[in-house]
Amino acid sequence: GAVVSQHPSRVICKSGTSVKIECRSLDFQATTMFWYRQFPKQSLMLMATSNEGSKATYEQGVEKDKFLINHASLTLSTLTVTSAHPEDSSFYICSAQDSGPAQPQHFGDGTRLSIL
Amino acid sequence: ELKVEQNPLFLSMQEGKNYTIYCNYSTTSDRLYWYRQDPGKSLESLFVLLSNGAVKQEGRLMASLDTKARLSTLHITAAVHDLSATYFCAVDMFQGAQKLVFGQGTRLTINP
Repeated sequence: GAVVSQHPSRVICKSGTSVKIECRSLDFQATTMFWYRQFPKQSLMLMATSNEGSKATYEQGVEKDKFLINHASLTLSTLTVTSAHPEDSSFYICSAQDSGPAQPQHFGDGTRLSIL
Repeated sequence: ELKVEQNPLFLSMQEGKNYTIYCNYSTTSDRLYWYRQDPGKSLESLFVLLSNGAVKQEGRLMASLDTKARLSTLHITAAVHDLSATYFCAVDMFQGAQKLVFGQGTRLTINP
């Protein structure tokens, strides 16, 4: 089955640091990837849609300058949390959808970000 | 406003029992997904439901979709401990644009 790899799985860093998270589709090409945020014991909230070769589409309320998304190839999207603060601590999950009719999104393993 | 609501949010049940999780959504869609999440882990795809009346089964889990009622159900038959997890439904609200709106999740605990 389709595999999405996300790295790193866990990050602990000081306030003010910028953190980059990578999302790779390992065995398929993904023109579109998605970035979600999940707070403890809550649901997933879509942050942005990452489009290969073009700008990401952000959901309402998500700061573009805080969460930088780059989708430089058909297999890699990156999310950079810039100048992270404790309130940015969360579980970030990426997903990608294989081509073909109504395929499910395949999710990465998630990145647990803790800002001290 | 686009809403996906699951019921119940918490469910504790004994092994061997049957139960159903409900997923209601607020606007027209013919694509609904069920996912499982274990603590500290990401999401695992369980079912993809693409049309009215769709029914899919895998082991002790069975999912169905009624697009007219905007309702999907996830039925658990003869529950076993290994099924303990949080279950999410997600609806493609934009007719194939792949933007998913998730329900709140149902935390299922199955006791021996």
